[in-house]
Amino acid sequence: GDSVTQMEGPVTLSEEAFLTINCTYTATGYPSLFWYVQYPGEGLQLLLKATKADDKGSNKGFEATYRKETTSFHLEKGSVQVSDSAVYFCALYNGSGNTGKLIFGQGTTLQVKP
Amino acid sequence: AAGVIQSPRHLIKEKRETATLKCYPIPRHDTVYWYQQGPGQDPQFLISFYEKMQSDKGSIPDRFSAQQFSDYHSELNMSSLELGDSALYFCASSSGQGSSPLHFGNGTRLTVT
Repeated sequence: GDSVTQMEGPVTLSEEAFLTINCTYTATGYPSLFWYVQYPGEGLQLLLKATKADDKGSNKGFEATYRKETTSFHLEKGSVQVSDSAVYFCALYNGSGNTGKLIFGQGTTLQVKP
Repeated sequence: AAGVIQSPRHLIKEKRETATLKCYPIPRHDTVYWYQQGPGQDPQFLISFYEKMQSDKGSIPDRFSAQQFSDYHSELNMSSLELGDSALYFCASSSGQGSSPLHFGNGTRLTVT
């Protein structure tokens, strides 16, 4: 079945460092890909998305490019801030018509130190 | 902008009791999803509804049931609660299209003692 694999955390960085969180997926067909962020005690917030190959999603300085040839959707940010500390989930949505569901990776905890 | 509303935020129940979680989707969203997130785990899909009909089913125990009502709100009913049911339960809504992202509520934290 469809699945998402993320790099294990926690990832600990100093403020202003470059961030990469790797995400690869296995899916039939052409899924849509997403990154969600979860701050402590809160729900999941959509960070960015890409719906087809070579699409680049971006938001709040974060970027990810849908790479079909490598089945990857790595999350990057050029300069992280302490406020970026959270759990990041890569996810895919694969469905047709009105069926389908979001499948999550295991999450990667990011800790940014001042 | 209006978001997905879940109630209650916190719920404490004893083993073998029942619980009902409620979800109010974003206006004009016709699809509702339920997810369960254990401590330190990724969210696991339970069930979804489109236009008040069940559209997909995941790892939902037989002790749980859910439905979507005519006003599009949804309820997750959980019976014979077990300690292992303690988790964060999220509801999400979307406009029903695959590329339309899911918008999540803040969740209901269920603790079974």
